[in-house]
Amino acid sequence: AQSVAQPEDQVNVAEGNPLTVKCTYSVSGNPYLFWYVQYPNRGLQFLLKYITGDNLVKGSYGFEAEFNKSQTSFHLKKPSALVSDSALYFCAVRDMGRGGNKLTFGTGTQLKVEL
Amino acid sequence: GAVVSQHPSRVICKSGTSVKIECRSLDFQATTMFWYRQFPKKSLMLMATSNEGSKATYEQGVEKDKFLINHASLTLSTLTVTSAHPEDSSFYICSARSSGGANEQFFGPGTRLTVL
Repeated sequence: AQSVAQPEDQVNVAEGNPLTVKCTYSVSGNPYLFWYVQYPNRGLQFLLKYITGDNLVKGSYGFEAEFNKSQTSFHLKKPSALVSDSALYFCAVRDMGRGGNKLTFGTGTQLKVEL
Repeated sequence: GAVVSQHPSRVICKSGTSVKIECRSLDFQATTMFWYRQFPKKSLMLMATSNEGSKATYEQGVEKDKFLINHASLTLSTLTVTSAHPEDSSFYICSARSSGGANEQFFGPGTRLTVL
């Protein structure tokens, strides 16, 4: 079965500093990987995805993520954090090796960016 | 990106009543729609997957007679919570995806259901 792990419940970072939100996955076939952001009482907003090609994926709002097949990781990064980046971040995977129809989400990481 | 709307955004109802939540894809045809439930500070739990014109596929542990899903057109899916109880109070989020490939899912803004 496919699964996603986000080992950190919360990440705190000072504004202007780089941020990393960790994600590892497990699938039997090729993974399609996604990052979503959720603000309070709102739905999920798509940030970026990895399907194939370049391991470094650039997305919305200056975020990027690096696909690492050997480590089965897809960490989300941003060079300089903003207070407005404070939100709940979800990593998700679809296992295309099983004709994947479902997205499996991690448990979410609360990012808090402070002045 | 594509837009998915949900209505209502908030609903408060009495125990025992039924509540219908609508999910619409506004600028694309959604062959597949998904309904999720999210508890506070928790991840999204997939409830069911629906394909236009066919019966929904429910995840294990989700009562299909309680959570009725209808995907009558390529732009509309509805979730009806029947005989609602306080434990059904939650944040319900729908998601839509167009056919094929690795298209990302687009999520609605969610519906906050409170059952008194």
